[in-house]
Amino acid sequence: AQKVTQAQTEISVVEKEDVTLDCVYETRDTTYYLFWYKQPPSGELVFLIRRNSFDEQNEISGRYSWNFQKSTSSFNFTITASQVVDSAVYFCALTTYSSASKIIFGSGTRLSIRP
Amino acid sequence: NAGVMQNPRHLVRRRGQEARLRCSPMKGHSHVYWYRQLPEEGLKFMVYLQKENIIDESGMPKERFSAEFPKEGPSILRIQQVVRGDSAAYFCASSAKRWEGTYEQYFGPGTRLTVT
Repeated sequence: AQKVTQAQTEISVVEKEDVTLDCVYETRDTTYYLFWYKQPPSGELVFLIRRNSFDEQNEISGRYSWNFQKSTSSFNFTITASQVVDSAVYFCALTTYSSASKIIFGSGTRLSIRP
Repeated sequence: NAGVMQNPRHLVRRRGQEARLRCSPMKGHSHVYWYRQLPEEGLKFMVYLQKENIIDESGMPKERFSAEFPKEGPSILRIQQVVRGDSAAYFCASSAKRWEGTYEQYFGPGTRLTVT
């Protein structure tokens, strides 16, 4: 079975602080993709990143960075120098070769950035 | 290239009425997926369709819910005799192929259904 766990339900930090959102996944497949999505208060889903299971390189995009570690089945997301506009719900998600029709989402982490 | 389109964006129904949610996939995409997001929860897979075929409906409630993706026109998610518990955001996603080296689903803006 596949599963995504986001243990942090809510996080609140002051603007300009760094913040890390944790994501732990479970799958027996060796071929899978991991995702992060942002859902701002307006409600739409904003795609942030996709990472396949064969690429463990960390990625940086501006203030965002992702740390993929297969040894701990984690795909953590860090926002550096957070801004108020980063306030949103963030979802980690997984799709596997054996369940290619489905994306399995975590329950989300609500991030609030205080000015 | 227009993205995935969903309409209506907001839908209010009274208990017992029918709700019809439409999804037009991205141009060239023949695979459609529906997800439901209950308040304060993550998205849950409901159904996966290709043109004129239901491929996987393992996430669909057994009663009152149905989905179709006809040869022509948008995909429709239909909820009969809505109840308050159906209030949720319903997202549609589309993809070009089921699984490729660069697998990706593109999400629409969602339809917010409120049952009064």
